[in-house]
Amino acid sequence: DVKVTQSSRYLVKRTGEKVFLECVQDMDHENMFWYRQDPGLGLRLIYFSYDVKMKEKGDIPEGYSVSREKKERFSLILESASTNQTSMYLCASSFLAGGDSGANVLTFGAGSRLTVL
Amino acid sequence: GQNIDQPTEMTATEGAIVQINCTYQTSGFNGLFWYQQHAGEAPTFLSYNVLDGLEEKGRFSSFLSRSKGYSYLLLKELQMKDSASYLCAVLDSNYQLIWGAGTKLIIKP
Repeated sequence: DVKVTQSSRYLVKRTGEKVFLECVQDMDHENMFWYRQDPGLGLRLIYFSYDVKMKEKGDIPEGYSVSREKKERFSLILESASTNQTSMYLCASSFLAGGDSGANVLTFGAGSRLTVL
Repeated sequence: GQNIDQPTEMTATEGAIVQINCTYQTSGFNGLFWYQQHAGEAPTFLSYNVLDGLEEKGRFSSFLSRSKGYSYLLLKELQMKDSASYLCAVLDSNYQLIWGAGTKLIIKP
């Protein structure tokens, strides 16, 4: 089974702190994604990456950055956490974009619930 | 803009059948996905439709009409463990996923 592991299930941080959310996948997937999930809203894409050292902005990149130094690892960074970044953060991976349905199926991590006080 | 609509919440009885609808307006279409998400857990893949018609997978079926911008997820013989949120997502012309807000399904005994 493909596994996507997020380092922290629950975090509580203070406004202005730097926050690192780590995500590791073990199936050699090309694509990795960071979403945030808030009640009443669909999943919103923050950043994604199609390859090592490559990153693309999603719909809501402001206040976030990412790092992908190795294929299996995709990190989300909040340089200076704010209360409006309190949310559930979901990491996901997929094999390849385009064409085949199987390649576009996302496998998600269990999520990291971040509270910023 | 791009939009996915699905009901916020539905209630059904154990053993019954429920249909969760999803309508979409997107820039292009390269397939529609349904995911299941239990409270506090990761979404998991249920189904993928790219051609019109019904795809059956055990107790779950998914239907697509591209001309109507419409899909539904049909759950038969409902079990308590089916209580979850069901997420509809469309792959647009740029192969980006557009997500609905999800439908919370409550199963009552």
